[in-house]
Amino acid sequence: QLQLQESGPGLVKPSETLSLTCTVSGGSISSTTYYWGWIRQPPGKGLEWIGSIYYSGGTYFNPSLKSRLTISVDTSKNQFSLNLSSVTAADTAVYYCVRQRFDWYPPLNWFDPWGQGTLVTVSS
Amino acid sequence: QSVLTQPPSASGTPGQRVTISCSGSSSNIGSNPVNWYQQLPGTAPKLLIYSNNQRPSGVPDRFSGSKSGTSASLAISGLQSEDEADYYCAAWDDSRMGVFGGGTKLTVL
Repeated sequence: QLQLQESGPGLVKPSETLSLTCTVSGGSISSTTYYWGWIRQPPGKGLEWIGSIYYSGGTYFNPSLKSRLTISVDTSKNQFSLNLSSVTAADTAVYYCVRQRFDWYPPLNWFDPWGQGTLVTVSS
Repeated sequence: QSVLTQPPSASGTPGQRVTISCSGSSSNIGSNPVNWYQQLPGTAPKLLIYSNNQRPSGVPDRFSGSKSGTSASLAISGLQSEDEADYYCAAWDDSRMGVFGGGTKLTVL
C-alpha cells in the first residue's frame, strides 16, 4: 500500500525559505502513471493546490505561487521536495504531499493517497 | 476566494439524503472531471469520488457524484453520524492548475 510522509521544519522565519520533503514508500515515484503534488491548508481554511511534478521533472505550478516555488524529484531516494521562498505569515498552513493521477486524454486528475500533513508556521 | 463555489455548510438527520453542490466554469468543471474529498476532523483529506461519479474501493455506495455542465453534486444517502466532515470538490482547470471548492461542513443533527 502506497504511503507518503512529509518531513521538514515546523517553524520558518519570515522572508526565509520553507523546505519540505515527501518520502514515498510502497511504490515507485518513477511510475509513468502518476504525478506527485503538494497541497496546503491554512488553519481553519480550505485546500489550495500548490504544484505537481512528474518523475522526469515536468512540473505544473499554481500561478499565484510560481515566482517563489521550486518542486524537485529525487528518484534514487523515492522522494520529492518543495521549496517556497520569501515566506510570510500567509504561508502558515498544513502542507500535504499527494500522489496525483493525471492525464490529458481522456482528462483524468485526482489526488490519492494523501500524506498525513505537516504544520508549518511562519513566525519570527 | 476559491475558484469552485460550494455552500459553506449543510446538515441532515440520520437516514436522510443530503446533497452538496459545486459550481465552476467552462475551463474547469465544464471541460474536466470533478473529484470529491472527505476530510474528517483532524485528519488528511481522503478521495471520495473521482471522475465525476466513480467510487474508490472501500467507499460506501451511499456516496454518489454527478456532473452537469459547469456544476457538480455530491449526494449522501442514509446519512450516518460518521459522515460528519468537511467535503471539498476539485477539478483541473485548462489554465493548467488544480482548483478546489471552499469546502462544505456537513453536520449530522
